[in-house]
Amino acid sequence: AQSVTQPDIHITVSEGASLELRCNYSYGATPYLFWYVQSPGQGLQLLLKYFSGDTLVQGIKGFEAEFKRSQSSFNLRKPSVHWSDAAEYFCAVGAEAAGNKLTFGGGTRVLVKP
Amino acid sequence: DTAVSQTPKYLVTQMGNDKSIKCEQNLGHDTMYWYKQDSKKFLKIMFSYNNKELIINETVPNRFSPKSPDKAHLNLHINSLELGDSAVYFCASSPPLGQANPEAFFGQGTRLTVV
Repeated sequence: AQSVTQPDIHITVSEGASLELRCNYSYGATPYLFWYVQSPGQGLQLLLKYFSGDTLVQGIKGFEAEFKRSQSSFNLRKPSVHWSDAAEYFCAVGAEAAGNKLTFGGGTRVLVKP
Repeated sequence: DTAVSQTPKYLVTQMGNDKSIKCEQNLGHDTMYWYKQDSKKFLKIMFSYNNKELIINETVPNRFSPKSPDKAHLNLHINSLELGDSAVYFCASSPPLGQANPEAFFGQGTRLTVV
């Protein structure tokens, strides 16, 4: 069975500071990995994804994530956050063997201080 | 031109009622899903259909019945609504199994409130 852990429930960061959100997954083989963002009252928007190849992936809105197989991690980073980055962030794992269903982490709420 | 659209966006209803949520995708995907997001923001899959065939049913009460009239539509019907059914329900779709880049596209969600 696949599982995802996001250790940080809340993170507060100052505008212009860097941001890193942690994600650890559990799956027997190499999974598909995703980061989604959800703004208040909105749906889920895909930030970036990893399927194979280069372990450092670039996404939208200046986000990037690095897949580290040895640590079973897929942490999300942004060098300089903007006030509009305040949202809920979800890491997810999928696998074809599981019908491509996504298993989500519990989410990390990011608050941005002016 | 919305890729995955759900209706209604908000639904307030009384306990015991029966209600439906509709979902349509215009991406040509074969696979569609229903996810539930509870009050603590936790997201969990409920159902998945591949080309109108049910492939995932995650121990959801049988009061919930998905229906896929064609591969572009996946509706969710809920009988005898309970307070605990209050949540945001997301529809999603993805390319066929076995195809590269199986990215899921989500609808905007339906906020169901049972009173």
